[in-house]
Amino acid sequence: DAKTTQPTSMDCAEGRAANLPCNHSTISGNEYVYWYRQIHSQGPQYIIHGLKNNETNEMASLIITEDRKSSTLILPHATLRDTAVYYCIVRVASSNDYKLSFGAGTTVTVRA
Amino acid sequence: GAVVSQHPSWVICKSGTSVKIECRSLDFQATTMFWYRQFPKQSLMLMATSNEGSKATYEQGVEKDKFLINHASLTLSTLTVTSAHPEDSSFYICSANRPGGGEAFFGQGTRLTVV
Repeated sequence: DAKTTQPTSMDCAEGRAANLPCNHSTISGNEYVYWYRQIHSQGPQYIIHGLKNNETNEMASLIITEDRKSSTLILPHATLRDTAVYYCIVRVASSNDYKLSFGAGTTVTVRA
Repeated sequence: GAVVSQHPSWVICKSGTSVKIECRSLDFQATTMFWYRQFPKQSLMLMATSNEGSKATYEQGVEKDKFLINHASLTLSTLTVTSAHPEDSSFYICSANRPGGGEAFFGQGTRLTVV
């Protein structure tokens, strides 16, 4: 599996956009970029995923560079409830039994 | 609503006893489920892959005789921590992948405390 690198922590102001970077320079052509987050004492929550095009849903936007070696998760208007650990994971999406490997993630703290 | 549900959310047990944790896939059939363990201030560590109708696949360093996994139906996997010790106290989380290779859904986790 391709390895990902994320900053250890990040602070952002409530109401502002939060931009979370992720490096995945060894990503393979058939690997997708997935983002999950884990709020304290809960199971991880799926946010978004993409292959090469930018993606947007009700939670966030995902910007993937043209060479696919890095990506940015954007929370457009951060709220206090977005405080969590955010994980960037690359995986092949073709198999139901594909297991996820979690790194340390980025601890995001949204401040009022 | 929850797509994958775990029960119980928390449990306290005495050393030497066994504890069973259930993981149910509510919206889809899951031939494969996964069990993770998370210690405080650490990331999730995959323990094993639960396979419906066959033996689980354990990650290196995880004792299969201590962490018994049963996946008897397409919607239910159970993890039994046998002869629990205080060092088994942890947050246990299960997940299942949506059929077709989509996103993984996680249970809410089970906080196990062994006293």
